[in-house]
Amino acid sequence: DAGVIQSPRHEVTEMGQEVTLRCKPISGHDYLFWYRQTMMRGLELLIYFNNNVPIDDSGMPEDRFSAKMPNASFSTLKIQPSEPRDSAVYFCASSPGVGAGELFFGEGSRLTVL
Amino acid sequence: EDKVVQSPLSLVVHEGDTVTLNCSYEVTNFRSLLWYKQEKKAPTFLFMLTSSGIEKKSGRLSSILDKKELFSILNITATQTGDSAVYLCAVEANAGKSTFGDGTTLTVKP
Repeated sequence: DAGVIQSPRHEVTEMGQEVTLRCKPISGHDYLFWYRQTMMRGLELLIYFNNNVPIDDSGMPEDRFSAKMPNASFSTLKIQPSEPRDSAVYFCASSPGVGAGELFFGEGSRLTVL
Repeated sequence: EDKVVQSPLSLVVHEGDTVTLNCSYEVTNFRSLLWYKQEKKAPTFLFMLTSSGIEKKSGRLSSILDKKELFSILNITATQTGDSAVYLCAVEANAGKSTFGDGTTLTVKP
């Protein structure tokens, strides 16, 4: 398996623009997580899905952020409109299930909002 | 709210030294504690701990969990420059949610 695949790897955009980050989890993994990492706040959980259903979105900063998982092999995280404080590395991770052990992380999408 | 606290925040040592990294937690419905190493990219898995007092080892790295006192330690013996990284502690709750600490940045000098 190729592992968790994220795109784009880098994105530079201007304030007010819409940003869409994409993730393909490892096949057969039932859980998918979106994390955001910054120097100031570390690795924060934004939202996670179980079998394509959002379980906990309490970490989503505000209404400008939304996430979807239309099927087992694809998820998106959208920011509209983007702001400079959204600049961060966004990681997607997947897991076979509760108690199964490690999270398998993608390489991350580095977002810079000017 | 689940909480994971790591200490120290950063550490600078010389090759050959032994280091101990700490992780304490407050989590509802604890299931497991995991350690990850993060170099320049994504975190990579080191250990998963579910039971108190059982040491997990992998080469020069070892870790143990105390579920009564709610903490874990990660030991690295005979450190090498390649051990320089951010070490992250995460706690998984029963619902599958993993909460991470802020990490310990370890720098190993030649």
